[in-house]
Amino acid sequence: EVQLVESGGVAVQPGGSLRLSCAVTGFTFNDYPMHWVRQAPGKGLEWVSFISWDGSSTYYADSVKGRFTISRDNSKNSLYLQMNSLRIEDTAFYYCAKDGLGFHFDYWGQGSLVTVSS
Amino acid sequence: QTVVTQEPSFSVSPGGTVTLTCGLSSGSVSTSYYPSWYQQTPGQAPRTLIFSTSTRSSGVPDRFSGSILGNKAALTITGAQAEDESDYYCLLYLGRGIWVFGGGTKLTVL
Repeated sequence: EVQLVESGGVAVQPGGSLRLSCAVTGFTFNDYPMHWVRQAPGKGLEWVSFISWDGSSTYYADSVKGRFTISRDNSKNSLYLQMNSLRIEDTAFYYCAKDGLGFHFDYWGQGSLVTVSS
Repeated sequence: QTVVTQEPSFSVSPGGTVTLTCGLSSGSVSTSYYPSWYQQTPGQAPRTLIFSTSTRSSGVPDRFSGSILGNKAALTITGAQAEDESDYYCLLYLGRGIWVFGGGTKLTVL
C-alpha cells in the first residue's frame, strides 16, 4: 500500500524558516518524481514544486521561487521542502504527492499545516 | 500569467448528469496539456480521478469520465450520487516544468 506521510508543519513568524518532510512507503521511491502542493485554508489547490527521480531537475511556482527548495534523499525514501523567508500568505496545508508518470499526481499524503503568523 | 478556469459551483440532482469544465484564460485546452481531475471532500486529501484527459485512476467508478469538449477539458459524472458532493479540481501541465490547478468547482448534489 502506498503511503505518504508529511511532517514538520508548525506555527512560525513571518521571515522565518521551516523544513517539511514526507516519508514514503509502498513503492520504489527512486523510480518516481515527486511534488509538493499546498492549499490555504478554505482555498483551492496550488502546485508548489517538482523534483525529478534523482533530484537533478527541480521546478517551482513563481510564488515560492527563490524562497523554497525541494530535495529528496532516496536512501531514506524521503522528500523535503525547505521554506525560507516565510510570508503570511504561505499559510497552508502542504501535501506531498507522487508523480504518476503522466504529468499528474496519483497518490497524496494527508497534509501538514504550516501557519505563518506574528 | 496563465489562469486555469473552472465553474465556481454547480448543482446536480441525484441520478443526473453533470459536466464540469476546465479552460485556459488564453488559448484552448488540448490533450497536450495532460488534463487531470481531482476530487476533494472537506478535511481530506485530494483523490485522483482522471489523468491524461480520459484515463480513470484505479478504483474510480465508471460514472466518472474525462474528455475534451470544444476548447476545454471536461469531467462528466453520469448518474450522480450523494457521495459525489465534493470540490473538483483540474490540473494542467503547461510545459517547462510548470503545473497549474484550476480554482475548483464546488459540486452540490440535491
